[in-house]
Amino acid sequence: AQSVTQLDSQVPVFEEAPVELRCNYSSSVSVYLFWYVQYPNQGLQLLLKYLSGSTLVESINGFEAEFNKSQTSFHLRKPSVHISDTAEYFCAVSNRDDKIIFGKGTRLHILP
Amino acid sequence: DVKVTQSSRYLVKRTGEKVFLECVQDMDHENMFWYRQDPGLGLRLIYFSYDVKMKEKGDIPEGYSVSREKKERFSLILESASTNQTSMYLCASSLDHRAYNSPLHFGNGTRLTVT
Repeated sequence: AQSVTQLDSQVPVFEEAPVELRCNYSSSVSVYLFWYVQYPNQGLQLLLKYLSGSTLVESINGFEAEFNKSQTSFHLRKPSVHISDTAEYFCAVSNRDDKIIFGKGTRLHILP
Repeated sequence: DVKVTQSSRYLVKRTGEKVFLECVQDMDHENMFWYRQDPGLGLRLIYFSYDVKMKEKGDIPEGYSVSREKKERFSLILESASTNQTSMYLCASSLDHRAYNSPLHFGNGTRLTVT
């Protein structure tokens, strides 16, 4: 069975500081990994995904995540955050058996 | 751009009422999903549908049913609403039922309060 653990329910960080949102997964088979973002009063939208190939994947707004198979992690990072990054971030895992499993989410609070 | 529209942003219903949550997508997606989102619990899958008139139970189907009479519309039904069904409900659609092959597109959610 698959599972996803987001280690922090809330992360406060000052504007322009770096941030890392942690995600660990467990799965007995090959996985596909995702980060979804939910901005205030909106639904979720895909931020980035790892399917295969390069273990470092990037989004268009400066986030990146690295697939680390040995540590079963897919942490999300950004070198310098902005107020507009305030949102809840969900890590998710899937495999060829179709189902996607979401983590419980991490709220990113940007402090001025 | 894919649009998933949920008919109500906020709903307040009384215990025992029958409640319909409607969702419409405009991109001819085969697959549609209903999730509920609760603080500290993340997203939990209630029901999903891979085709018209087809439905499959998710992880927490108890107390809910669904209807998919047309491809673009997926309704969630609470036959007799209870206070523990107070939650944010999110509808989603995708082109491919394989999650790795196409992303989920979500509506903005319906916040249901049952009093």
